[in-house]
Amino acid sequence: NAGVTQTPKFRVLKTGQSMTLLCAQDMNHEYMYWYRQDPGMGLRLIHYSVGEGTTAKGEVPDGYNVSRLKKQNFLLGLESAAPSQTSVYFCASSYTQTGIPYEQYFGPGTRLTVT
Amino acid sequence: GDSVTQMEGPVTLSEEAFLTINCTYTATGYPSLFWYVQYPGEGLQLLLKATKADDKGSNKGFEATYRKETTSFHLEKGSVQVSDSAVYFCALHTQGGSEKLVFGKGTKLTVNP
Repeated sequence: NAGVTQTPKFRVLKTGQSMTLLCAQDMNHEYMYWYRQDPGMGLRLIHYSVGEGTTAKGEVPDGYNVSRLKKQNFLLGLESAAPSQTSVYFCASSYTQTGIPYEQYFGPGTRLTVT
Repeated sequence: GDSVTQMEGPVTLSEEAFLTINCTYTATGYPSLFWYVQYPGEGLQLLLKATKADDKGSNKGFEATYRKETTSFHLEKGSVQVSDSAVYFCALHTQGGSEKLVFGKGTKLTVNP
């Protein structure tokens, strides 16, 4: 049981390049999330998904797109990278069940630098 | 809307010192409360949780009590170790509300030998 995995772990992009970050979970969770973490800002939610084929915007969605074609995978895309997108990106997943405390399980993160 | 406020860091302590990290919340419903920990270079992991008023969550020597009257969930540990150096996040989720967790900004703890 690998939990939540993220690919790649590190990446350097030039301004204007595109890339896709992959998140995979093997816990059969319905919900998945993408966050970015910047110094002094805590975690900010980019996009999330409450099930296969569905996505929704979080706090800071501009410049990012997502897709959830399979329940176990959640992809985060940067179409035209900007230096302001230099950050550490975390994926998380969670189950949903009435009456059960709701907690999220996090991946190890992807450190992205845009030059 | 729902929000979480944590004490500003960083916090620097000597080994075996007592730790308190304050967390207060604002929520419209009856939230579940969480503390997450992030060790250097890693993702967040759940440290402890509490789902109703007066519940005490505990793990690895850390404790936090859900205080509805003061809307607080302060994290405490009686004797910190160097290995406790990490960033600590307080978070809440309101049952029946949004599918999202609301996080505080995090408090960095450094424990010196």
